[in-house]
Amino acid sequence: DSGVTQTPKHLITATGQRVTLRCSPRSGDLSVYWYQQSLDQGLQFLIQYYNGEERAKGNILERFSAQQFPDLHSELNLSSLELGDSALYFCASSVEGFEVENEQFFGPGTRLTVL
Amino acid sequence: DAKTTQPNSMESNEEEPVHLPCNHSTISGTDYIHWYRQLPSQGPEYVIHGLTSNVNNRMASLAIAEDRKSSTLILHRATLRDAAVYYCILGGGYQKVTFGIGTKLQVIP
Repeated sequence: DSGVTQTPKHLITATGQRVTLRCSPRSGDLSVYWYQQSLDQGLQFLIQYYNGEERAKGNILERFSAQQFPDLHSELNLSSLELGDSALYFCASSVEGFEVENEQFFGPGTRLTVL
Repeated sequence: DAKTTQPNSMESNEEEPVHLPCNHSTISGTDYIHWYRQLPSQGPEYVIHGLTSNVNNRMASLAIAEDRKSSTLILHRATLRDAAVYYCILGGGYQKVTFGIGTKLQVIP
């Protein structure tokens, strides 16, 4: 158990809908990262927050947005969902940002299925 | 962004050493080299990291080339539980973290 929790574990929805994925980092970790893992594209970095502020942005679509709240939990919002958004979404946390040597601790992931 | 290159897949016999290579020719002086692995149906987990010197921990060893343009993750005795996808990534600076496809390691009994 990494100490990072993600809810829900599974999510099934329809195209055009909007969903929210939630992540609680390990106690004391200030950085939260979101990743998308689809079958053919490996693990893709989406976005990083550090202590409430956006720190780095990866291949995140404009239909997706995220935020980190004062209690340090984070939410990833996916809107106007398409079939291709079906994937595993992982959240990870670290003490500080990945610009130092801190390791990331990954949650168990949320499996999103868009029908 | 500094990128890494790894073989898509490798095989190893159980109880034999495994050397997983990673090329990172555009690494900058402040980039740490991190290795993670992802077991089936789980999130990635940290394996080891280093900057310039070779590193050992209970899971593996990391050998870093003198010019730091490549590194090798060494599993001293592969077990069936080591079958996973291994990712070599670079961390340092305010940059995107790229995991890529990784190397799928198959361990043969």
